[in-house]
Amino acid sequence: QSALTQPASVSGSPGQSITISCTGTSSDVGSYNLVSWYQEHPGKAPKLIIYEVSKRPSGVSNRFSGSKSGNTASLTISGLQAEDEADYYCCSYAGSSTLVFGTGTKVTVL
Amino acid sequence: QVQLQESGPGLVKPSETLSLTCAVSGGSIIGYYWSWIRQPPGKGLEWIGHIYYSGSTNYNPSLKSRVTISVDTSKKQFSLNLSSVTAADTAVYSCARLTSTGTWYFDLWGRATLVTVSS
Repeated sequence: QSALTQPASVSGSPGQSITISCTGTSSDVGSYNLVSWYQEHPGKAPKLIIYEVSKRPSGVSNRFSGSKSGNTASLTISGLQAEDEADYYCCSYAGSSTLVFGTGTKVTVL
Repeated sequence: QVQLQESGPGLVKPSETLSLTCAVSGGSIIGYYWSWIRQPPGKGLEWIGHIYYSGSTNYNPSLKSRVTISVDTSKKQFSLNLSSVTAADTAVYSCARLTSTGTWYFDLWGRATLVTVSS
């Protein structure tokens, strides 16, 4: 069970859109529509922002959206804001009641 | 509002067992999966394992030989034991609630606690 691959960092200017990829295998991302995304600000608990690939929990901004194609899931942040600067992690169900996280992506707002 | 709070030693000696407890307050422990997740310094999140309130468990294959997760519903808490620790087990450990409806995401996290493995 290897960690899902995410870019180490992504940056963008306020108002722009950015996309974070999360690449797994046919045993995890590719087999299940059970990818979730978490936002982590320094010193704070991770916050769920996307589940089941593209669903947003109540209270999460619609600037966050998720998608999946094959073995790669993606998180798009549109209308980038300073408060979006954080670490982002994907997580996928990997079968047999196991889960695997992504390597994490640091988002910087320029 | 449901809250999770980790507790346990912040320093563990190499080869010993790391033990942490997560207390659930403001809500029921029944009907959910309860997880442990860790984050080594400067690294990403790693799922350690989870336990259903009834006691059934699932572990990360890479840690399975050293991990035990248990639950005490009467005390509304669940625990992590990680044996034979090394410096590589130094990490911030978090407990979290995993949805129980087959959707497999963490909807509630504890504040986390740093555990250092050092002599």
